Amino acid sequence: EVQLLESGGGLVQPGGSLTLSCAASGFTFSSSAMSWVRQAPGKGLEWVSAISGGGGGTYYADSVKGRFTISRDNSKNMLYLQMNSLRAEDAAVYYCTKKGRLVATIIDYWGQGTLLTVSS
Amino acid sequence: QPVLTQSSSASASLGSSVNLTCTLSSGHSSYIIAWHQQQPGKAPRYLMKLEGSGTYNKGSGVPDRFSGSSSGADRYLTISNLQSEDEADYYCETWDSNTGVFGGGTKLTVL
Repeated sequence: EVQLLESGGGLVQPGGSLTLSCAASGFTFSSSAMSWVRQAPGKGLEWVSAISGGGGGTYYADSVKGRFTISRDNSKNMLYLQMNSLRAEDAAVYYCTKKGRLVATIIDYWGQGTLLTVSS
Repeated sequence: QPVLTQSSSASASLGSSVNLTCTLSSGHSSYIIAWHQQQPGKAPRYLMKLEGSGTYNKGSGVPDRFSGSSSGADRYLTISNLQSEDEADYYCETWDSNTGVFGGGTKLTVL
């Protein structure tokens, strides 16, 4: 059974930094592209970032480019999202998602999400 | 990158059927999409992958009541024999030009 368990959310001041983690199990992690999707309170889903199975390809939404960094550790089956220069508009539930073998595919599993609050 | 357009809301009666539509922008009518369901207060759930040919592949445990079809740039999610638990937000999603894309979502109300 595929499981994606996010952690690391919390309250951060504007301008601050935080790293989200996602522990993956139940599938061959290194063979799957992964992504982060967020959802602000009462809003729709917004794609944030994606990474190829080997980690060599990374992709970002314009809204986070230059501030967020996606990475993975295939030896630990872990996905990360390092977030810097956080803004109020980054506040959301962040979901870890599994994609297919290629980044250019659709999402086929979701985690339960972790909440990021950005406030002074 | 393709835009995915969805109606903001839909409603149908318990036990009836409903079609939700996701329309791809011009020039992207061949794109594969996914449908995702988000019940109130829960994380999204993958429902199916839907190709331009109308071929669809459902996720694990998705009831037979859910099906997909395509016509040109339109991608449809059909829910038959509506149940109360089908009341949810439904999102379509695709990938293009190194970017993930979501439709705005359709809020389905079961009457």
